[in-house]
Amino acid sequence: KQEVTQIPAALSVPEGENLVLNCSFTDSAIYNLQWFRQDPGKGLTSLLLIQSSQREQTSGRLNASLDKSSGRSTLYIAASQPGDSATYLCAWVTDSWGKFQFGAGTQVVVTP
Amino acid sequence: GAVVSQHPSWVICKSGTSVKIECRSLDFQATTMFWYRQFPKQSLMLMATSNEGSKATYEQGVEKDKFLINHASLTLSTLTVTSAHPEDSSFYICSYYRGSEQYFGPGTRLTVT
Repeated sequence: KQEVTQIPAALSVPEGENLVLNCSFTDSAIYNLQWFRQDPGKGLTSLLLIQSSQREQTSGRLNASLDKSSGRSTLYIAASQPGDSATYLCAWVTDSWGKFQFGAGTQVVVTP
Repeated sequence: GAVVSQHPSWVICKSGTSVKIECRSLDFQATTMFWYRQFPKQSLMLMATSNEGSKATYEQGVEKDKFLINHASLTLSTLTVTSAHPEDSSFYICSYYRGSEQYFGPGTRLTVT
């Protein structure tokens, strides 16, 4: 079974610092990878989608990379802001029907 | 963008009663939808895959007789928690997969007293 690990589990940084969130998986036979943000008590907001044939995706201050050979994806958030405080989840599509497996998440706090 | 709605957004029920949660895809006919559960401070766990017009596929450890899934149309899937107990209190989220991307509903928070 695919194992998905997110490191660190929690992260607290002062405003303006760059954030680096890691996600690792044990099976390189993934379809797609998606990063999400979840605010407390809320649903999921999709941040970036990386197709299995791609190596990275960028959107504004966010950049996500995918290295299938090492079984790792990294989410970079540049110049963090207090509004970036949330839990960040990575998830793999594990079959052609779109079944997802989620990591445990990284809880981020950005202090003013 | 794709939109998924869930109803209700939160519900409180007494132990032993049943609760139905609706998941609607508002702009897409989804033959397959997914149901996830999230306990406090934990990640999302896939419960079942809902297939339009056929039986749902449940993940290991999920009781199919307790969590009844009905995908009667291409835009509606329902999850019924039967004989709910306090340990069923959780955040339930549905989703569908379209164009290589997953679209999630806003979630339903169930509290069983």
